[in-house]
Amino acid sequence: GQQVMQIPQYQHVQEGEDFTTYCNSSTTLSNIQWYKQRPGGHPVFLIQLVKSGEVKKQKRLTFQFGEAKKNSSLHITATQTTDVGTYFCAGGGSARQLTFGSGTQLTVLP
Amino acid sequence: DGGITQSPKYLFRKEGQNVTLSCEQNLNHDAMYWYRQDPGQGLRLIYYSQIVNDFQKGDIAEGYSVSREKKESFPLTVTSAQKNPTAFYLCASSRVADNQPQHFGDGTRLSIL
Repeated sequence: GQQVMQIPQYQHVQEGEDFTTYCNSSTTLSNIQWYKQRPGGHPVFLIQLVKSGEVKKQKRLTFQFGEAKKNSSLHITATQTTDVGTYFCAGGGSARQLTFGSGTQLTVLP
Repeated sequence: DGGITQSPKYLFRKEGQNVTLSCEQNLNHDAMYWYRQDPGQGLRLIYYSQIVNDFQKGDIAEGYSVSREKKESFPLTVTSAQKNPTAFYLCASSRVADNQPQHFGDGTRLSIL
């Protein structure tokens, strides 16, 4: 079945440094979604990418979808303590299901 | 406010017992999902339903059962056949259409006594 790999599993950064997490799928995706889960909380939808090569920005967050629609990345510029949490990618395939990556847990040191 | 309500927040189970986790949504979504979250493993799909009275197994359905008698409700039963039930369980819902985001409840943390 479809597998979505996400790296790194953990990332510690100093406040103000940049952060990137990467997702790779074993199959071509119909779309890629990104979620953020704060410590003790539940995943919250951030954004969706559908088109090949698509790039979207939300303030300091930049999301990319690869040309082959098999990989994606989330880049945060100048991290803040409010960025702490686990970031998940989720790939859409057939049957309208999402396959979640294992997540990247971001720690921001003040 | 529309949303998804999961209860209880914490649940303890004795060996050999079945327990049922509640999930209710008032978002008028047709699709509902149950995920299991273990540390470092992301979210794994247990069951999903796209319409009342119909549901499909996900990747890790063994030891679990569900029902979908009402659009708003999708309870999950963790049976005694599930040998490692300790986990964080998340319920989600979405519209039934391509590329729809999922909305999550606050989760239920299940532990074995």
